[in-house]
Amino acid sequence: DAGVTQSPTHLIKTRGQHVTLRCSPISGHKSVSWYQQVLGQGPQFIFQYYEKEERGRGNFPDRFSARQFPNYSSELNVNALLLGDSALYLCASTGLGNEQFFGPGTRLTVL
Amino acid sequence: TQLLEQSPQFLSIQEGENLTVYCNSSSVFSSLQWYRQEPGEGPVLLVTVVTGGEVKKLKRLTFQFGDARKDSSLHITAAQPGDTGLYLCAGGRYNAGNMLTFGGGTRLMVKP
Repeated sequence: DAGVTQSPTHLIKTRGQHVTLRCSPISGHKSVSWYQQVLGQGPQFIFQYYEKEERGRGNFPDRFSARQFPNYSSELNVNALLLGDSALYLCASTGLGNEQFFGPGTRLTVL
Repeated sequence: TQLLEQSPQFLSIQEGENLTVYCNSSSVFSSLQWYRQEPGEGPVLLVTVVTGGEVKKLKRLTFQFGDARKDSSLHITAAQPGDTGLYLCAGGRYNAGNMLTFGGGTRLMVKP
């Protein structure tokens, strides 16, 4: 079975631009969470979606938004990019035991 | 501000040595998960502990959840170069959708 997949792998944007990151959870998993990991730190929670509804939101500005589709895949959108948005963006899908399994991440660089 | 404090932040040891990584919080968690992360990759789940005082073993790795479910430790026996990586602890709260709060990580390097 395929694990969590994310696309693209790497992305370079300039300040002020918009970015969309994509995630497909493990087959059968209905919940997806997004995390931001700045270099040298642990991941920080951004959003959690379950059955297409937002279940939780971390301490991130409104420039960050997300949605989940009927097939449980998800998109994370970030508007008006800032240099500080440069990070590894991780997607995790949640199993029946509430354990979270992470994808390989999308490395975003904002210039 | 990290609600979960990991120590040490960095650890460099020789192959064959033992080590312990600590994860501490003033908050109670429903579960505590340990992950290992390689550079440029996502965290890989090692273990989940849910019961206060619980001890789990995974080959040379021993994980313990504190009695009060506020802290945890990871002990590695006879470390090998393949153990090198970033070790992350993460606490989950079921009443908060089990969104994870991560510690800052412990970067381990095991020299041959």
